Amino acid sequence: ILNVEQSPQSLHVQEGDSTNFTCSFPSSNFYALHWYRWETAKSPEALFVMTLNGDEKKKGRISATLNTKEGYSYLYIKGSQPEDSATYLCASVYNQGGKLIFGQGTELSVKP
Amino acid sequence: KAGVTQTPRYLIKTRGQQVTLSCSPISGHRSVSWYQQTPGQGLQFLFEYFSETQRNKGNFPGRFSGRQFSNSRSEMNVSTLELGDSALYLCASSFRGAANEKLFFGSGTQLSVL
Repeated sequence: ILNVEQSPQSLHVQEGDSTNFTCSFPSSNFYALHWYRWETAKSPEALFVMTLNGDEKKKGRISATLNTKEGYSYLYIKGSQPEDSATYLCASVYNQGGKLIFGQGTELSVKP
Repeated sequence: KAGVTQTPRYLIKTRGQQVTLSCSPISGHRSVSWYQQTPGQGLQFLFEYFSETQRNKGNFPGRFSGRQFSNSRSEMNVSTLELGDSALYLCASSFRGAANEKLFFGSGTQLSVL
């Protein structure tokens, strides 16, 4: 059974803090890694899709890195804002047309 | 461009009944996938359809089924409902359903089984 683990489960930070969380996944037969942001009462929204070892993606204050050999990805948020409060989900895929296997998510709360 | 539309938003059913949920993907998207979210669980993959064919299936009992129409709209059916089927059901669409394509999610259908 393929298992995707995210840590921490939840995180409480102050506005302006930078933060990061981890997504760990089985590296064997890996194909792609997705990150999504899910705000309360909204739909999950795609942040990044990465496929290559060493990939780095950036969108505003949010960036992500990928290590396919050791099976982990980091998501970084620089200068957290209250509007960054959401659950951040990662999901791994193991072949071209394969299903996404989601982690349980990291719930981020940013206090003003 | 309209997003992914799921109907209904909320549904209350009793044990033993059956239910059908609907998902209209973004125009031009041919892949639709379905996920179940229950408290304490991550999003669990149900199945994925592309051009009216089921390409992938998750580890759910046969009571869970789906289909896709020629206009790419998809329906999901759950028969003989159980209390444990209470969950948020999300559908997502993408152009080809390729592993490196971002998914676009609907708002979900919240199903309560009493």
